[in-house]
Amino acid sequence: EAQVTQNPRYLITVTGKKLTVTCSQNMNHEYMSWYRQDPGLGLRQIYYSMNVEVTDKGDVPEGYKVSRKEKRNFPLILESPSPNQTSLYFCASSLRVISGANVLTFGAGSRLTVL
Amino acid sequence: AQSVSQHNHHVILSEAASLELGCNYSYGGTVNLFWYVQYPGQHLQLLLKYFSGDPLVKGIKGFEAEFIKSKFSFNLRKPSVQWSDTAEYFCAVNAYSSASKIIFGSGTRLSIRP
Repeated sequence: EAQVTQNPRYLITVTGKKLTVTCSQNMNHEYMSWYRQDPGLGLRQIYYSMNVEVTDKGDVPEGYKVSRKEKRNFPLILESPSPNQTSLYFCASSLRVISGANVLTFGAGSRLTVL
Repeated sequence: AQSVSQHNHHVILSEAASLELGCNYSYGGTVNLFWYVQYPGQHLQLLLKYFSGDPLVKGIKGFEAEFIKSKFSFNLRKPSVQWSDTAEYFCAVNAYSSASKIIFGSGTRLSIRP
């Protein structure tokens, strides 16, 4: 089944303890992106990747890192999590960005709580 | 900078009522427009999209949306809602020239009374 898989789905951690949220897609998609969803703010883009080894900042990149060493994986790294990073995180992918069209397939989401 | 506004934060309707959810965007150039839906406990999924052509687009489950360029709007409609339409609805925009950045609205929560 074609899908975007995120892990963990739920995580409670403490301030400063490094964590990684993994994202993997099995559709050979070139484009991948991370979003955070907060009440009243909708989805905000954190980082995106147009292809392997090509990443760029979205609107809210502070406190996050990403890497794209393989086409299928796009992990989100929180080096020193803080309470304001408590949120619901979504990974998404699309085949490629052509003529401005970018239709996303989303993962199930990862709910992160930082105490 | 691009932005997307969804003015209705929470809409409550009875079954069989008609639905219209507003979406306005700010960007002067050519855009692609989307509505995504998030049913309770499920992934976000595409409801419908507009790239070009007929400004009235039809999506899944009887939804449609109309792109009105002069009003910078892309409102979502359904003539008769069902209880199963209870979900959160997100409007999204990307500029034709910068499709890597997709801007989402804040979402509208739709509750349908059986």
